[in-house]
Amino acid sequence: DVKVTQSSRYLVKRTGEKVFLECVQDMDHENMFWYRQDPGLGLRLIYFSYDVKMKEKGDIPEGYSVSREKKERFSLILESASTNQTSMYLCASSLISQGYEQYFGPGTRLTVT
Amino acid sequence: AQTVTQSQPEMSVQEAETVTLSCTYDTSESNYYLFWYKQPPSRQMILVIRQEAYKQQNATENRFSVNFQKAAKSFSLKISDSQLGDTAMYFCAFMKQTGANNLFFGTGTRLTVIP
Repeated sequence: DVKVTQSSRYLVKRTGEKVFLECVQDMDHENMFWYRQDPGLGLRLIYFSYDVKMKEKGDIPEGYSVSREKKERFSLILESASTNQTSMYLCASSLISQGYEQYFGPGTRLTVT
Repeated sequence: AQTVTQSQPEMSVQEAETVTLSCTYDTSESNYYLFWYKQPPSRQMILVIRQEAYKQQNATENRFSVNFQKAAKSFSLKISDSQLGDTAMYFCAFMKQTGANNLFFGTGTRLTVIP
């Protein structure tokens, strides 16, 4: 079974803090994704990566950066957290083959106060 | 740009009954993939069913089936013999066949199965 894990289920940070969200997958998937989930908006893509050290912006990259130093790990970084970044963050991974399903982590609910 | 619309924010169904969740999408692509994902309360998102746009036959997975109408850009999910474990958020999603294979999601439908 594919397993995607995220470092925290719940996180509370203060405005202006630097925040790291970690995601690890154990199936040697090339693609990794970070989504943000908000009620009434569904999931929106923040960044994705199709290879080590490669990254592509998604639909809402502002205020975020990412890092992929190893194939199995994809980090989302909030350089200076703001209250409007309070949300559920979902990581996913997939093979690079087109049409392949994405496997999701359990999510991190981030609250910025 | 691709957009996915789910017009039913919430639905409910009696246990053992059948329910249909609606999804429409807009794209200029001719080949693509469509998905239904399920997110149970406090649990991970999992794939329910997948459809390739070039296939005319509707996909089925046990109690789950889709009605794919390519010309109408419609992709509804039918759940037969609903079970309590089907209670979840359901997301319809679109993926292009070429280029970046990220998903474009709808806003979701919260389904509650009533005992």
